[in-house]
Amino acid sequence: AIRMTQSPSSLSASTGDRVTITCRASQGIGSYLAWYQQKPGKAPKLLIYAASTLQSGVPSRFSGSGSGTDFTLTISCLQSEDFATYYCQQYYSYPLTFGGGTKVEIK
Amino acid sequence: EVQLVESGGGLVQPGGSLRLSCAASGFTFSSYWMSWVRQAPGKGLEWVANIKQDGSETYYVDSVKGRFTISRDNAENSLFLQMNSLRAEDTAVYYCARRSSSWPYSDYWGQGALVTVSS
Repeated sequence: AIRMTQSPSSLSASTGDRVTITCRASQGIGSYLAWYQQKPGKAPKLLIYAASTLQSGVPSRFSGSGSGTDFTLTISCLQSEDFATYYCQQYYSYPLTFGGGTKVEIK
Repeated sequence: EVQLVESGGGLVQPGGSLRLSCAASGFTFSSYWMSWVRQAPGKGLEWVANIKQDGSETYYVDSVKGRFTISRDNAENSLFLQMNSLRAEDTAVYYCARRSSSWPYSDYWGQGALVTVSS
């Protein structure tokens, strides 16, 4: 199985900050990577697919980049509603696997 | 509006069985692969299973192979997960999710159903 490693596991930031989360795959996955946002007690929400394509309705302050084994999710100007946990997922091969998550907390 | 509503969760003893259901609406259910994804309390997400539009192909994570069965009823717009030989480590919120039309990431999720395996 492809292992997905996210870093950091948590971070503290302030509204207006630029935040970057990284995700590394244990083997090359091309651009077959998605990012999800999850708030406490809620279902995950798709933010980005194909490593850099924004899902319809997702604010443009979210962006994704990378290919192969190294990927990043960037929030350009953190808003209050962005405090949540973020997960990457590879869909290059079965079993589909997620990163361990990055919790973005208020500083 | 796409809606996915899970039901059937609850408390079950180790070794027991449970069947989760997911009622889909707001899209042509029979045109999409579907998935189950779970989340143990305080932990991250774990993909469990996928099923093709007509049910002819299924995929499972190794930890549930031989114990869980994903199925669907396109006439009823419903997805199911039959869980047998349940273990404490199967305790989780189980999400029903629609797979995108092109690749196996999930573009819509239900609100989840809690399954607790405990004596």
